[in-house]
Amino acid sequence: RKEVEQDPGPFNVPEGATVAFNCTYSNSASQSFFWYRQDCRKEPKLLMSVYSSGNEDGRFTAQLNRASQYISLLIRDSKLSDSATYLCVVITSGTYKYIFGTGTRLKVLA
Amino acid sequence: DTEVTQTPKHLVMGMTNKKSLKCEQHMGHRAMYWYKQKAKKPPELMFVYSYEKLSINESVPSRFSPECPNSSLLNLHLHALQPEDSALYLCASSLRTGGPYNEQFFGPGTRLTVL
Repeated sequence: RKEVEQDPGPFNVPEGATVAFNCTYSNSASQSFFWYRQDCRKEPKLLMSVYSSGNEDGRFTAQLNRASQYISLLIRDSKLSDSATYLCVVITSGTYKYIFGTGTRLKVLA
Repeated sequence: DTEVTQTPKHLVMGMTNKKSLKCEQHMGHRAMYWYKQKAKKPPELMFVYSYEKLSINESVPSRFSPECPNSSLLNLHLHALQPEDSALYLCASSLRTGGPYNEQFFGPGTRLTVL
């Protein structure tokens, strides 16, 4: 089993839709969680860190469920510019290595 | 300034060439990273520098040689590469290596093609 797993998609959604992705992690000692977005042939850009109590940044909401060992990203009112690959990242306590998920592709359609 | 810069943007080299990739950040970060990314795959960690000292080498072949001349600069020296080394090479930096919520910021990458 991979340490961090994501549904590769693609998720094809119309503009204005709400879409959610999950990312599961296997190590219960994982302590830090992030969502990055990566556009085609570009670098990953930090979208948001994921805090224990959940956090929101505009149209984006991140949640952490430690009991079930997953994090989620909710995007409301999808824009064409949200089309990208969304990478989940986990850091395990005692290490400082980023463990990347394989990424979820999102296509927002006009 | 939350920018990590990398040069060159593109590099084409033969298997006998020697070339170097450069990375620079002026955010006062003391941890710097090299990653390799193949198409449709997530980044793979290659090296980690912490306070200018190499702290992680992910069993990378010796044809890749990292160097950290100072806290703002990170180089990756390339020699006798193979075609399968063609990839996007990403540099990243973070405030430190340890602790929670240690966000990494990535440079735009160097797209390397080995002929």
